[in-house]
Amino acid sequence: KNEVEQSPQNLTAQEGEFITINCSYSVGISALHWLQQHPGGGIVSLFMLSSGKKKHGRLIATINIQEKHSSLHITASHPRDSAVYICALRGGSQGNLIFGKGTKLSVKP
Amino acid sequence: ETGVTQSPTHLIKTRGQQVTLRCSSQSGHNTVSWYQQALGQGPQFIFQYYREEENGRGNFPPRFSGLQFPNYSSELNVNALELDDSALYLCASRYDLGSYEQYFGPGTRLTVT
Repeated sequence: KNEVEQSPQNLTAQEGEFITINCSYSVGISALHWLQQHPGGGIVSLFMLSSGKKKHGRLIATINIQEKHSSLHITASHPRDSAVYICALRGGSQGNLIFGKGTKLSVKP
Repeated sequence: ETGVTQSPTHLIKTRGQQVTLRCSSQSGHNTVSWYQQALGQGPQFIFQYYREEENGRGNFPPRFSGLQFPNYSSELNVNALELDDSALYLCASRYDLGSYEQYFGPGTRLTVT
């Protein structure tokens, strides 16, 4: 069983829809990252969470440490939000990240 | 822009050859991690360097090796390339070993034929 599970694997939405991507994990962590990866490959950090909730523009990330679960929400989705969204844990003793497989989001106009 | 650069962008090699990939970290970042991302998968931790010494390693064989230099650049070397080494290779730098925020480079796409 993977230490990090994301769902769904693929998601297609219409422009304007509210989107939720989920991440569940099975190990203790010191922080959880939500990352965005565009087709070219580059990864951008969206959020780093250790508790509670963070908001940046149309993006909201929440984490429940007791339930070992985090969600990424996108309000009023737009085609430019199309990307792969990856959940990553900072749990390794060396400070390395443990990644989920990612959720491929496609937002149609 | 994260301030982390990688070269080359794309590379094609033949099975059995050796390859060197390069990463230039943000100035002042003394820790760099390397990750391998196979198609359709999340990145996997290869190793990390802290102040020019290897400071942790994932489940990768010794033919994956690295170097980190005082000028905040680093290298990933892969010997005896195998077809399964075809992947996107990402480096990520951070200010210090204990820092949480990591800054990713754009990656090098390696194809082994």
